Amino acid sequence: AQSVTQPDIHITVSEGASLELRCNYSYGATPYLFWYVQSPGQGLQLLLKYFSGDTLVQGIKGFEAEFKRSQSSFNLRKPSVHWSDAAEYFCAVGPPLSNDYKLSFGAGTTVTVRA
Amino acid sequence: DSGVTQTPKHLITATGQRVTLRCSPRSGDLSVYWYQQSLDQGLQFLIQYYNGEERAKGNILERFSAQQFPDLHSELNLSSLELGDSALYFCASSLRSGMNTGELFFGEGSRLTVL
Repeated sequence: AQSVTQPDIHITVSEGASLELRCNYSYGATPYLFWYVQSPGQGLQLLLKYFSGDTLVQGIKGFEAEFKRSQSSFNLRKPSVHWSDAAEYFCAVGPPLSNDYKLSFGAGTTVTVRA
Repeated sequence: DSGVTQTPKHLITATGQRVTLRCSPRSGDLSVYWYQQSLDQGLQFLIQYYNGEERAKGNILERFSAQQFPDLHSELNLSSLELGDSALYFCASSLRSGMNTGELFFGEGSRLTVL
């Protein structure tokens, strides 16, 4: 069975500092990989996704993620965080080439940004 | 604003009752998805409809049912409600069906509280 692990429940980072959120997955094959962000009172917004090809993926809001097959990881990074990056971040996986959008989500990492 | 509209935003009801959550997808999107976000289970895929037909099913209870109407809006019906059904219910939509056909857009959710 597929699973997604986000080891960090909560991360606090200073504004301007770098941020890295970890995501590990367990899957039979290389799944499609996603990072979503949920701001308070909002729905989920796609930051970036990986299907195949270049393992370093660029997303919106200055985020990037790196797929490492050997480590079954898809970690999210941002070089310099802004106060507006305070939110909850979800890693998700889905079966490749499937005809649906049946995503499995991690438990989420809450990011707090201090001034 | 993702373009996905969910009503009501908040709903408080009692155990044993029945409620209906409504979702209007983005204009032109044929697929509608329902996800449940609860404290103990996290984000879980419930069900997907594509152009009026059920396409994929997840961990949806038998007390729950959904449908997609000819105008493509969808309703999620929750009956015989239990305390554990308290959660944030997200609707999402995509242009077609399948992760490689386009992005998934989430609504802001309907928060259900069962007392």
